Amino acid sequence: KAGVTQTPRYLIKTRGQQVTLSCSPISGHRSVSWYQQTPGQGLQFLFEYFSETQRNKGNFPGRFSGRQFSNSRSEMNVSTLELGDSALYLCASSSPSGSYNEQFFGPGTRLTVL
Amino acid sequence: GQNIDQPTEMTATEGAIVQINCTYQTSGFNGLFWYQQHAGEAPTFLSYNVLDGLEEKGRFSSFLSRSKGYSYLLLKELQMKDSASYLCAVSGYGGSQGNLIFGKGTKLSVKP
Repeated sequence: KAGVTQTPRYLIKTRGQQVTLSCSPISGHRSVSWYQQTPGQGLQFLFEYFSETQRNKGNFPGRFSGRQFSNSRSEMNVSTLELGDSALYLCASSSPSGSYNEQFFGPGTRLTVL
Repeated sequence: GQNIDQPTEMTATEGAIVQINCTYQTSGFNGLFWYQQHAGEAPTFLSYNVLDGLEEKGRFSSFLSRSKGYSYLLLKELQMKDSASYLCAVSGYGGSQGNLIFGKGTKLSVKP
């Protein structure tokens, strides 16, 4: 079974631009969560999608948004990029049919904002 | 608010035992996870505790006390490849298990 894939793996943008990151979950997984990882703050929850609906949202500004498609693939978008948005963005998928909701992480997209 | 604390760094010797502690204060609790993350890689699942007590899985064990808001990860027979960051995470915030609140991680260095 293929793991979680994320594209692109690396991205360089400048302040003020916007960016879209993509995540393909493990086949059969319907829940996709997004996290931001920085050296100072660690891993922080952005949002969770299940069956095309946002189920939870973390404490991030409205510049961060996401969506999920009918095939469970998910995208997140960051508009008006700031230097502080430089981070590793991780996507995780899970299957609620399990006894617990183990999340499987993708390799991440490393975003650098100049 | 949500707060998960764990030591920033630890050092241990190959072959030894190390215990990484985690304390948490969160609204909502459906379980506690431990993940391992090697530098430059994605986190990988190590263990899950939802009931009080010890869960053992090979060289790794994890303990939970819900009343104390406390967990630890125990690594036995340390190997060089165990050098990594260990992340404690609580699920259940907002009533869902699909989001995790993470501690900032403990960077473990295993020395020969």
